[in-house]
Amino acid sequence: QSALTQPASVSGSPGQSITISCTGTSSDVGSYNLVSWYQQHPGKAPKLMIYEVSKRPSGVSNRFSGSKSGNTASLTISGLQAEDEADYYCCSYAGSSTPWVFGGGTKLTVL
Amino acid sequence: EVQLVESGGGLVQPGGSLRLSCAASGFTFSSYDMHWVRQATGKGLEWVSAIGTAGDTYYPGSVKGRFTISRENAKNSLYLQMNSLRAGDTAVYYCARVATMEWYFDLWGRGTLVTVSS
Repeated sequence: QSALTQPASVSGSPGQSITISCTGTSSDVGSYNLVSWYQQHPGKAPKLMIYEVSKRPSGVSNRFSGSKSGNTASLTISGLQAEDEADYYCCSYAGSSTPWVFGGGTKLTVL
Repeated sequence: EVQLVESGGGLVQPGGSLRLSCAASGFTFSSYDMHWVRQATGKGLEWVSAIGTAGDTYYPGSVKGRFTISRENAKNSLYLQMNSLRAGDTAVYYCARVATMEWYFDLWGRGTLVTVSS
């Protein structure tokens, strides 16, 4: 069982918006603004999409945005495109004992 | 080109050992914290180990005492020595980069597959 809880799958049609949730605890997501999100296409390496809850690395589309409320972080993708179909993982800093914890991943299907 | 390339994966029997390598290029390797993250087939990502620029190391309980992370800055290389391997260690192992004083993985390799089976 993963430390952070994500829905197994979400779907949307091209042009629509979707949101993926990532629920942790007061020891990880709730305590630190250090949530990051990664996109992974089949057989490929993960790619950083969001860091520090809501910041976008250079080169990542502004269709991707992040937020956090309490122990739950969220990734929103607006204007869905076929190329967005992938697995998405959240990650949070969790303190000195086990510093990094990941979610189980969410498979995004673009209908 | 800025990249990380893993190698050393393969088939190993339970209780056996394996050493993974990660070759870095295109950036100042010695200035970054480096990590190993694994992914079992069809499963999520799991953080495995980290080494700081000063050589400080970190492990989760699931691998502590069995895995050892190390780095050789002169060779721009990261290593993971894995001992007492179990079936549950079967996964693709990725090396990943974290900038010092940052808390996200901004560069990943493509991974190397480790299969623990008799």
